[in-house]
Amino acid sequence: SQQGEEDPQALSIQEGENATMNCSYKTSINNLQWYRQNSGRGLVHLILIRSNEREKHSGRLRVTLDTSKKSSSLLITASRAADTASYFCASASSGGGADGLTFGKGTHLIIQP
Amino acid sequence: GAVVSQHPSRVICKSGTSVKIECRSLDFQATTMFWYRQFPKQSLMLMATSNEGSKATYEQGVEKDKFLINHASLTLSTLTVTSAHPEDSSFYICSARKSGGRETQYFGPGTRLLVL
Repeated sequence: SQQGEEDPQALSIQEGENATMNCSYKTSINNLQWYRQNSGRGLVHLILIRSNEREKHSGRLRVTLDTSKKSSSLLITASRAADTASYFCASASSGGGADGLTFGKGTHLIIQP
Repeated sequence: GAVVSQHPSRVICKSGTSVKIECRSLDFQATTMFWYRQFPKQSLMLMATSNEGSKATYEQGVEKDKFLINHASLTLSTLTVTSAHPEDSSFYICSARKSGGRETQYFGPGTRLLVL
């Protein structure tokens, strides 16, 4: 079942500004991942953070994870027009059973040049 | 790298026909593959988990007789949408996990299905 919630659903900022997206999930997780999707295209894996990690960096990306609040955030610094896309968080459950990813609803990010 | 391909990339079919979508891991073996569906402006929903050599595990609400999954080799899983109807029109995306791997799923580029 769909469990992830992301906010904002849409975000429009000026090029050069920072963009922050948040994600919440409901069950215990092994890890949480962030993906980018350009319109009508496949997914691009951005970053994975494990349940025992609190923060992770990759280039202009910074991800935080708060397992007590069951939430994560993705920060994109110094945004560029090419960052325009939809961003999804996806959680990997630590429970038994099927282990496909549960995706959030996504944030549509628009970077104004 | 870890590349996953899907074929076809886009398909248009008439209502009532069956459509087969292939998902291939090109440079690694994948014991487990996943099939997701994404409706316009919505998120991805897991449909089923496909394990090589065994029956697929379907998510609640996904009809196994309508969405047939075959994972006959370590590099290929197929999804067949049987007796497709317009409401099956969607973006179907597969992912594959390396044999022995536990975390990362590698996603294919997706297949856009339009049922007329």
